[in-house]
Amino acid sequence: DTGVSQDPRHKITKRGQNVTFRCDPISEHNRLYWYRQTLGQGPEFLTYFQNEAQLEKSRLLSDRFSAERPKGSFSTLEIQRTEQGDSAMYLCASSFDRGNGYTFGSGTRLTVV
Amino acid sequence: AQSVSQHNHHVILSEAASLELGCNYSYGGTVNLFWYVQYPGQHLQLLLKYFSGDPLVKGIKGFEAEFIKSKFSFNLRKPSVQWSDTAEYFCAARGNTDKLIFGTGTRLQVFP
Repeated sequence: DTGVSQDPRHKITKRGQNVTFRCDPISEHNRLYWYRQTLGQGPEFLTYFQNEAQLEKSRLLSDRFSAERPKGSFSTLEIQRTEQGDSAMYLCASSFDRGNGYTFGSGTRLTVV
Repeated sequence: AQSVSQHNHHVILSEAASLELGCNYSYGGTVNLFWYVQYPGQHLQLLLKYFSGDPLVKGIKGFEAEFIKSKFSFNLRKPSVQWSDTAEYFCAARGNTDKLIFGTGTRLQVFP
């Protein structure tokens, strides 16, 4: 048990459908991060929150992607009108402050068919 | 632009061999450095981190890394690897924001 929970673990969707993933961070962590990882690559930063505020969003993130953290606890990542290129592992991480490392969840594997 | 480079994409070693994985970063200003490990089928786990102070950092499972500012490097080392060290290793860096930038990773295979 990593302490960071992600749901679902796997998602298969048809191209053009919308999908939503959920991340529950470690309860006392105020920072939450979303990353995307494809085979043979390192995790790629998507966005992060401090409490409920979204502080940074990658320029690589198209407007089909949106993330929320409404109460500063769990977060959702929505992808609208999915494309085959969206197939990847979507990772969530959390941290308490800058003095510590980031704790990662097990990820949600998205396959767009 | 901020970036992290890992030059060894795939390393194959026998048990008891010594390991050194290269990591170079490109950042202006203060940088924090991390090594993460991802065992097959598992989540990313923190091996060690460097923020300041002694440039030789010791982490879990016998790993260590050395920060060499003049070379913009943070190489990971282990004197004697085990079969259980088979995994993918990622170097990562962070500047003034909380955004962590990862390298492309090094796949390590250790044979008994």
